[in-house]
Amino acid sequence: GAGVSQSPSNKVTEKGKDVELRCDPISGHTALYWYRQSLGQGLEFLIYFQGNSAPDKSGLPSDRFSAERTGGSVSTLTIQRTQQEDSAVYLCASSDSRGYTQYFGPGTRLTVL
Amino acid sequence: GQQLNQSPQSMFIQEGEDVSMNCTSSSIFNTWLWYKQDPGEGPVLLIALYKAGELTSNGRLTAQFGITRKDSFLNISASIPSDVGIYFCAGHPTGANNLFFGTGTRLTVIP
Repeated sequence: GAGVSQSPSNKVTEKGKDVELRCDPISGHTALYWYRQSLGQGLEFLIYFQGNSAPDKSGLPSDRFSAERTGGSVSTLTIQRTQQEDSAVYLCASSDSRGYTQYFGPGTRLTVL
Repeated sequence: GQQLNQSPQSMFIQEGEDVSMNCTSSSIFNTWLWYKQDPGEGPVLLIALYKAGELTSNGRLTAQFGITRKDSFLNISASIPSDVGIYFCAGHPTGANNLFFGTGTRLTVIP
């Protein structure tokens, strides 16, 4: 079946603008995660959704970052008033309810000029 | 915060050689996962380990969940050019929803 998809694949924006990144998880997966990967680095956890439970936002770096998940499926990560340090690859992953094994999308490469 | 030490940071090997990389954590993990990431792609799951002492193979790849639950290794046998990429260990410490990732091992295979 289809894997995790993300859009856009690349986004270039100017400092101060808002951006929205989209993630479509694997059908039937109840858990959805957002991670950030800076150049040459490992992955940094941002936020986690599980079913209808309140999201775990403990990894969000500032209040400029927010995410929502509509209907238990598609998720949008929003970054307001983007800064140059926000430039990174933003990766989405999904898993079944146990959450042990996460499957990743191809990522969105964000460049803030 | 959670510390995952992955080594080596990079490796240059001849095609056909075996490769070994490992990860250690500062606390007990409930799962260990190994991912491979190619340029411009998301990480792809290679092997998942769920029990201490578990040894699992996937083709030329073999990984083990350390008995102390604080370490894991990945071996690649008879390397080929398409093994090139960055390998990440990852795992769930007790009580965590998200995965914690190592800093990666960049593998270069020389034909």
